[in-house]
Amino acid sequence: QKEVEQNSGPLSVPEGAIASLNCTYSDRVSQSFFWYRQYSGKSPELIMSIYSNGDKEDGRFTAQLNKASQYVSLLIRDSQPSDSATYLCAVNLNSGNTPLVFGKGTRLSVIA
Amino acid sequence: GAVVSQHPSWVICKSGTSVKIECRSLDFQATTMFWYRQFPKQSLMLMATSNEGSKATYEQGVEKDKFLINHASLTLSTLTVTSAHPEDSSFYICSVAGGVYQETQYFGPGTRLLVL
Repeated sequence: QKEVEQNSGPLSVPEGAIASLNCTYSDRVSQSFFWYRQYSGKSPELIMSIYSNGDKEDGRFTAQLNKASQYVSLLIRDSQPSDSATYLCAVNLNSGNTPLVFGKGTRLSVIA
Repeated sequence: GAVVSQHPSWVICKSGTSVKIECRSLDFQATTMFWYRQFPKQSLMLMATSNEGSKATYEQGVEKDKFLINHASLTLSTLTVTSAHPEDSSFYICSVAGGVYQETQYFGPGTRLLVL
């Protein structure tokens, strides 16, 4: 059973702080990793992808991947109330013909 | 990223009727489309994987005769909920993959179904 685990939260951070979201996955052959953001009542939106070990930065977002430890994280700097959403970690084992394996998501609340 | 549309965005129907939901990939050819269902405050649940020109592959527990999926072209997949009942009320979301987006899935905006 291929699994992606996330803390369900809620994770509460004050406005302006760094939010740190973590995800672990069970299958060592996983190739690519994604973070989606889902606002309440909306569909998921892709915000970051990462394929190799290390950090990848995009604006206020930084994805971190450690394949040896089988974890991937998302840091959100200068958190804003508009970042309040559920963040889904997703893992792809090989190619686009197979569905991503999603975690259940971490709910983030940024408090003004 | 890919642009995906769904139609309708909202549908209310009577119990026993069938509802068709369309998913369109607007800016690239999607070789694979996925259908998900999400109940309030719950996580995404994959229903089926659909490859263009092939029969859909359904997840365990999803009735293929109730949820008919057609992927007739590289830009269109449809999900038909046959003989809908109140317990089918949910948020149905498609996602697309393929081409330059081979390893990534992009989601449509979703269709909210309410069966009375």
